[in-house]
Amino acid sequence: AQSVAQPEDQVNVAEGNPLTVKCTYSVSGNPYLFWYVQYPNRGLQFLLKYITGDNLVKGSYGFEAEFNKSQTSFHLKKPSALVSDSALYFCAVALNQAGTALIFGKGTTLSVSS
Amino acid sequence: EADIYQTPRYLVIGTGKKITLECSQTMGHDKMYWYQQDPGMELHLIHYSYGVNSTEKGDLSSESTVSRIRTEHFPLTLESARPSHTSQYLCASSYGGLREQFFGPGTRLTVL
Repeated sequence: AQSVAQPEDQVNVAEGNPLTVKCTYSVSGNPYLFWYVQYPNRGLQFLLKYITGDNLVKGSYGFEAEFNKSQTSFHLKKPSALVSDSALYFCAVALNQAGTALIFGKGTTLSVSS
Repeated sequence: EADIYQTPRYLVIGTGKKITLECSQTMGHDKMYWYQQDPGMELHLIHYSYGVNSTEKGDLSSESTVSRIRTEHFPLTLESARPSHTSQYLCASSYGGLREQFFGPGTRLTVL
């Protein structure tokens, strides 16, 4: 079965430190991978995506993600965390090239302390 | 900020009532989606539309129905609300193939 896993319910980091939010996937065929962020009482906002090409993808707000085919992972990273990065982060995979069927992970709450 | 709107933002209603959750977007996107999200849980796709007069069911079975008479409007209707329908409903839209989806703020529905 095709799926996305976010193994950590919560990640805690201190402001200024690097952060990593983990995501692994299991799909047949080419994976089309996305990261979204959800702030309290807000809808999801797109951060970045991997479709093809360079394994390091750069996105909004200084975030980047590394696609690793051998480890079937797509971890979200940021070199220096901000308190304002505290939010709920979702990894998702598209099951078709139309992008209509997205499977989301359960989400990881990122808490950045000052 | 994405131009996709959902009303109402919060709704508390009794069992058996008919409700319609509104979703509109001003970006001219052809594809629109409805997701259901329970607290601390992943989003599940319940309906999507490729364009006007096109609707499809998603991977999560839902008793709700949708319509797409205009490009910008994608309402979701529950004919008879039940407590099991209590959840957050998120509307989204996108343009073309593997493009990012833009999400509305959501409607938090509570059925008593």
